[in-house]
Amino acid sequence: GENVEQHPSTLSVQEGDSAVIKCTYSDSASNYFPWYKQELGKRPQLIIDIRSNVGEKKDQRIAVTLNKTAKHFSLHITETQPEDSAVYFCAAGTYKYIFGTGTRLKVLA
Amino acid sequence: DAGVIQSPRHEVTEMGQEVTLRCKPISGHNSLFWYRQTMMRGLELLIYFNNNVPIDDSGMPEDRFSAKMPNASFSTLKIQPSEPRDSAVYFCASSRTSGGVHTDTQYFGPGTRLTVL
Repeated sequence: GENVEQHPSTLSVQEGDSAVIKCTYSDSASNYFPWYKQELGKRPQLIIDIRSNVGEKKDQRIAVTLNKTAKHFSLHITETQPEDSAVYFCAAGTYKYIFGTGTRLKVLA
Repeated sequence: DAGVIQSPRHEVTEMGQEVTLRCKPISGHNSLFWYRQTMMRGLELLIYFNNNVPIDDSGMPEDRFSAKMPNASFSTLKIQPSEPRDSAVYFCASSRTSGGVHTDTQYFGPGTRLTVL
């Protein structure tokens, strides 16, 4: 069935360093790839998204890249800050999303 | 914009009882999704409505679960009878279809934390 794999499951970085989270998907029909950030006890909130006709998108310290041929997409966070600590989910889909299993990011001050 | 509204925020019930979760999507959004989140299984899509019609309910775990959307402003997810393994956070999300392609951002509600004893 359709699947989204996400790695790593946990990631610890020093404040100011970069963090990279990678996802792969199986459904070739997927054309929309959002990333959500979920803080403890809160709802998932969209931080950035990319569509299949774009290879890269950047918003301040956050960037996402997409390789449709390889069915890979990645989230890059630069100059990490303690408030970036959260669980990050990738998703892939069309009318519905399949979510990855999440990455718990810890930014150490 | 008030965002997606869910009620109750917390529900504690005993095994065998009926549970009803409620959702009001963002005004103008015509797609609504119910998700379940647990540590073991992550975020699972239970059911998807478009223009108040259930389109995909392949994620509904079993017949004890049912969902309705009587109008564009309201949806319910019902569990009857509830079991301890139903304990989870249930999220409702909504989006707006554009050009017939359902690839718009989904906005999540605050969730309902359900505990079945």
